[in-house]
Amino acid sequence: NAGVTQTPKFQVLKTGQSMTLQCAQDMNHEYMSWYRQDPGMGLRLIHYSVGAGITDQGEVPNGYNVSRSTTEDFPLRLLSAAPSQTSVYFCASSGGRNSGNTIYFGEGSWLTVV
Amino acid sequence: GENVEQHPSTLSVQEGDSAVIKCTYSDSASNYFPWYKQELGKGPQLIIDIRSNVGEKKDQRIAVTLNKTAKHFSLHITETQPEDSAVYFCAASDYGGSQGNLIFGKGTKLSVKP
Repeated sequence: NAGVTQTPKFQVLKTGQSMTLQCAQDMNHEYMSWYRQDPGMGLRLIHYSVGAGITDQGEVPNGYNVSRSTTEDFPLRLLSAAPSQTSVYFCASSGGRNSGNTIYFGEGSWLTVV
Repeated sequence: GENVEQHPSTLSVQEGDSAVIKCTYSDSASNYFPWYKQELGKGPQLIIDIRSNVGEKKDQRIAVTLNKTAKHFSLHITETQPEDSAVYFCAASDYGGSQGNLIFGKGTKLSVKP
């Protein structure tokens, strides 16, 4: 994948714990987003950002917070983890016309909430 | 909002045969339709995309067709090979794909038997 890095790769949380999934891209892309992927559900948009300081909600934003203080980073915060948040999380970025509008995905973060 | 339906959910073909995956969308404002291939444990990777001002696009063994009137688009893979085995997702967006706001279908698991 073209420069979208996610950490951690795997994480187990207890119900009620909080954590942050990190996402960084080195392509100077303006647009970044977070998706979750559940079996049989495809990918669903959680939050997105069109530039530093600007964020907005996607299809399934409840239970998650984001911020975009720099162009490179777009962390996803789980405030109080619930078993329903067990999923695979993908960060994505796009440079718009500068990258042919191609959206690049990271390798994913596998999260289990017990 | 946009809704994307994808069929079939699983598809098994013999090596060398063709494979066709179909998607329908609901929002006539959608104007960008990418297809992603996802291998086990990896993030989705763009394989081909089409915009609403084009009816067909081809890249070697892969082609995508778009029927705006009927609101459906299809992925065609010819001369399939075992390495084509993966999960394929269609998606739709009304932002030209530049903001990462894709609505995904639920995926098709393609198996190519040698």
